[in-house]
Amino acid sequence: DAKTTQPTSMDCAEGRAANLPCNHSTISGNEYVYWYRQIHSQGPQYIIHGLKNNETNEMASLIITEDRKSSTLILPHATLRDTAVYYCIVRVDDGDSNSGYALNFGKGTSLLVTP
Amino acid sequence: DAGVIQSPRHEVTEMGQEVTLRCKPISGHDYLFWYRQTMMRGLELLIYFNNNVPIDDSGMPEDRFSAKMPNASFSTLKIQPSEPRDSAVYFCASSFGTGLTDTQYFGPGTRLTVL
Repeated sequence: DAKTTQPTSMDCAEGRAANLPCNHSTISGNEYVYWYRQIHSQGPQYIIHGLKNNETNEMASLIITEDRKSSTLILPHATLRDTAVYYCIVRVDDGDSNSGYALNFGKGTSLLVTP
Repeated sequence: DAGVIQSPRHEVTEMGQEVTLRCKPISGHDYLFWYRQTMMRGLELLIYFNNNVPIDDSGMPEDRFSAKMPNASFSTLKIQPSEPRDSAVYFCASSFGTGLTDTQYFGPGTRLTVL
């Protein structure tokens, strides 16, 4: 799986948009970009994923550059409850049902939302 | 659905003792994962199952660790004998593998302390 690079930490004011960047310059054509987050003392929580198109759900938006070498997770109106470690993960799906389902979590970005 | 259930939530034991961690995946999910999280190494995949069969156990640290999945609704991770360096939070996760959008749902974790 390709590796990702994320900033160690970021701050965001409550109510503002939080934009979390991720570099994945060696991503392959069949690798998806996944975002998970982990709130303190809880298990990781799925946020969103995408392949090449931008995606949006009730939690966040995912913007993937045209060359797919980087992406940005956007929390449109951050709240104090969004304070967490955010993980950007690229994961291959080669169609083999017995491979590629593991998630390789890196260090993530520690997002602090302040009042 | 109650989500992924793990027990116990906290376990304190002495070096040399056997420890058994338990997990009940979300009903209908056919993949089950065991992860370990420490400050030093972050989140690491230990082993995962597909339809109760172990697929990849390359992350299991050593022979002291073993995992079983006797049926679709129950899995155990056993450490025998336990050592202080096994102290960590152990997460279980499950997913319904479709090959493309298999989001992993994590349990609350078991915090293990080996004295």
